[in-house]
Amino acid sequence: DGGITQSPKYLFRKEGQNVTLSCEQNLNHDAMYWYRQDPGQGLRLIYYSQIVNDFQKGDIAEGYSVSREKKESFPLTVTSAQKNPTAFYLCASRGVNQPQHFGDGTRLSIL
Amino acid sequence: GQQVMQIPQYQHVQEGEDFTTYCNSSTTLSNIQWYKQRPGGHPVFLIQLVKSGEVKKQKRLTFQFGEAKKNSSLHITATQTTDVGTYFCAGQETTDSWGKLQFGAGTQVVVTP
Repeated sequence: DGGITQSPKYLFRKEGQNVTLSCEQNLNHDAMYWYRQDPGQGLRLIYYSQIVNDFQKGDIAEGYSVSREKKESFPLTVTSAQKNPTAFYLCASRGVNQPQHFGDGTRLSIL
Repeated sequence: GQQVMQIPQYQHVQEGEDFTTYCNSSTTLSNIQWYKQRPGGHPVFLIQLVKSGEVKKQKRLTFQFGEAKKNSSLHITATQTTDVGTYFCAGQETTDSWGKLQFGAGTQVVVTP
């Protein structure tokens, strides 16, 4: 969707390496979310944040970390503790009483 | 915790036919949203239903929210090849103030010309 930028589009990770996925929005939305999507499955919530400097764990937070230092930015780090990181990662944001708007996603693969 | 079940998981439709996908929540919902994801793309918002028994239409798509606010359906009439994609329902729990959505697994729709 316009206004949410995820980068990179494709990312490769070596064993034991941490990688960070970027998510930036210029929609002035307070809430931001990170989802993981595996083939043929729905979206599972990793982390979410409603305000700056505050975030909450979702359903599958283990092996991931986030920060929310700015309203516009909500980067996701996939740590080496995440044993099965290969997936499609989607970032979303939402305004008050509005639906979620998604970025184009980042496909992460293991080398 | 809340669970959202969506059926069928896969739907093969002949162009011009109708089909329906169903969504059921284990808890009462504040609202339910529907998204469409084209192959290789990201989910795009279609519609939100809030009221018990609400019915909304978008051209050939008809969305319905159950009286108990625990189930929903999407009916597509006269399917076209442009309807190809995966349709997700996503429910927001009544008690959730964070706007978190619980997504169903989706219905993947394949249309045969």
